[in-house]
Amino acid sequence: KNEVEQSPQNLTAQEGEFITINCSYSVGISALHWLQQHPGGGIVSLFMLSSGKKKHGRLIATINIQEKHSSLHITASHPRDSAVYICAVHSGGGADGLTFGKGTHLIIQP
Amino acid sequence: NAGVTQTPKFQVLKTGQSMTLQCAQDMNHNSMYWYRQDPGMGLRLIYYSASEGTTDKGEVPNGYNVSRLNKREFSLRLESAAPSQTSVYFCASNSPLRGAHYGYTFGSGTRLTVV
Repeated sequence: KNEVEQSPQNLTAQEGEFITINCSYSVGISALHWLQQHPGGGIVSLFMLSSGKKKHGRLIATINIQEKHSSLHITASHPRDSAVYICAVHSGGGADGLTFGKGTHLIIQP
Repeated sequence: NAGVTQTPKFQVLKTGQSMTLQCAQDMNHNSMYWYRQDPGMGLRLIYYSASEGTTDKGEVPNGYNVSRLNKREFSLRLESAAPSQTSVYFCASNSPLRGAHYGYTFGSGTRLTVV
């Protein structure tokens, strides 16, 4: 069973700061997902990665397959970025679901 | 809007009561999933359906049953609810193809309390 660890668990920062959230996993994967969960609970998929780097607006996700590690970066953070960010991995090649980290609770203060 | 629709959004049950959580997707996805989310823990897989007509147990299936009614609908049934099943339940879908993976789409969640 893959173990997914995220750090930090909680992060409070000031508006405009550069944010980094880390994710490590124990067993080789076929894909890694970054998800966002706002207060009120809805979960939105941000990125899916199997190698390299992806960018969408102010969000950047990277993955190092050899190190079994991924990072999610937020540039020019804004209070609306406040949410729980969740890392999840797909270990197999089929449709057998994701293994999730516990999430990072991010608060951006104005 | 296209997506995953879950009903109900909130439910309170008494211990021993039964209920069915409904999930429907209109994205023509093959695979559907039921997860539960508990405080201090990551989401955990209850059951999944890789395609219409198939279902498989996930990490925490005890106390639950599922039905993949058709390609669109995947329901989760609690036959005899227990306080340990108090949780937030999420349905999700995606469409893996030949080993490739695509982003998952999640429903808005069902907050279930068993008293």
